[in-house]
Amino acid sequence: DQQVKQNSPSLSVQEGRISILNCDYTNSMFDYFLWYKKYPAEGPTFLISISSIKDKNEDGRFTVFLNKSAKHLSLHIVPSQPGDSAVYFCAAKHTNAGKSTFGDGTTLTVKP
Amino acid sequence: DTGVSQDPRHKITKRGQNVTFRCDPISEHNRLYWYRQTLGQGPEFLTYFQNEAQLEKSRLLSDRFSAERPKGSFSTLEIQRTEQGDSAMYLCASSLGRQNIQYFGAGTRLSVL
Repeated sequence: DQQVKQNSPSLSVQEGRISILNCDYTNSMFDYFLWYKKYPAEGPTFLISISSIKDKNEDGRFTVFLNKSAKHLSLHIVPSQPGDSAVYFCAAKHTNAGKSTFGDGTTLTVKP
Repeated sequence: DTGVSQDPRHKITKRGQNVTFRCDPISEHNRLYWYRQTLGQGPEFLTYFQNEAQLEKSRLLSDRFSAERPKGSFSTLEIQRTEQGDSAMYLCASSLGRQNIQYFGAGTRLSVL
């Protein structure tokens, strides 16, 4: 039973365009959501997060949107840059819990 | 470098052998997590500690796996009688208090032949 799903294993976009990565979750107890970025041979690094009391959080070129009724979140990267090419993991947790539950990742390729 | 460090980075072992991995968290972080990641999948939670107390263990953590954090600083993850299915990347992460963001090490890649 996969509680966090990223249905697109890969995404390719042109430099300067928007990248949209999607994530769905099933567990209603999740109230905090995070996106991590992973380069080869490195561990995941935190990118941006959102609490369930918000529906949008923005940090520079990165914006995360949360639709609680649909149990869906998305990460928008505008404009996309070649250095954004990486695997992006969506993660969800309950604030009082220790662990995070991760999706299987989306590999983003930004072409120059 | 004050990030999370893991040792070794790579481990090749024969089936049936025991292996031990070490994780040194960010120094002021009191929570430490272990995850396992296989190819094409995201990190799967194994266990976590708050200081020296092991607060949660996943059902994935069979009795061949044991983790310790004896002094609330570094942690070790031991796998006894390794099986080929144990081949994976083992990731350690740490966080401060009840902070939601976790900081990951680069992982230990285990290959069981």
